[in-house]
Amino acid sequence: DVKVTQSSRYLVKRTGEKVFLECVQDMDHENMFWYRQDPGLGLRLIYFSYDVKMKEKGDIPEGYSVSREKKERFSLILESASTNQTSMYLCASSQTGVDKLFFGSGTQLSVL
Amino acid sequence: QKEVEQDPGPLSVPEGAIVSLNCTYSNSAFQYFMWYRQYSRKGPELLMYTYSSGNKEDGRFTAQVDKSSKYISLFIRDSQPSDSATYLCAIPGGSEKLVFGKGTKLTVNP
Repeated sequence: DVKVTQSSRYLVKRTGEKVFLECVQDMDHENMFWYRQDPGLGLRLIYFSYDVKMKEKGDIPEGYSVSREKKERFSLILESASTNQTSMYLCASSQTGVDKLFFGSGTQLSVL
Repeated sequence: QKEVEQDPGPLSVPEGAIVSLNCTYSNSAFQYFMWYRQYSRKGPELLMYTYSSGNKEDGRFTAQVDKSSKYISLFIRDSQPSDSATYLCAIPGGSEKLVFGKGTKLTVNP
């Protein structure tokens, strides 16, 4: 089974902190994605990557950056966390395009 | 108009009921359509996917696409408490993007 592992299930941070969310997939997938999920707003794409060291902005990249130094690992960085970044963050991977995304279990981030 | 619209519910039905979940979309260029299921405190998982108009069955689940009306549906027959989850429609929107509906939360009561 494909496994997408997110490093933390719950995270509490303070405003202004730099936050790293880590995601690792074990199926040698080319593509990796970061989404956030908020009640009433659904899933929104933050960034995605289709190759090592490559990244593309999604629909809401502001306030975020990403890093993909190795194929299996895709990190989401909040440079200076703000309260409006409190959300569920979901990482996903796929072999080709968006044909079938495999999601991690998510990280619930609270910024106080 | 948003690309994909989905009634958020919530929807509560008794065990054994037939459930109908629906989405509408705006872009007639969309070619294939997916349904994801998300259990509480988990990430979404792909449930069904279909390329064409008409019906596709998988056990108790049927995905239906009506391209002329830009309408997609997911039917669940003989619903079970284990079907309680949020169901999200999803449509590839080009440029490696998947456009998700907001999800419909379903509760099946024993």
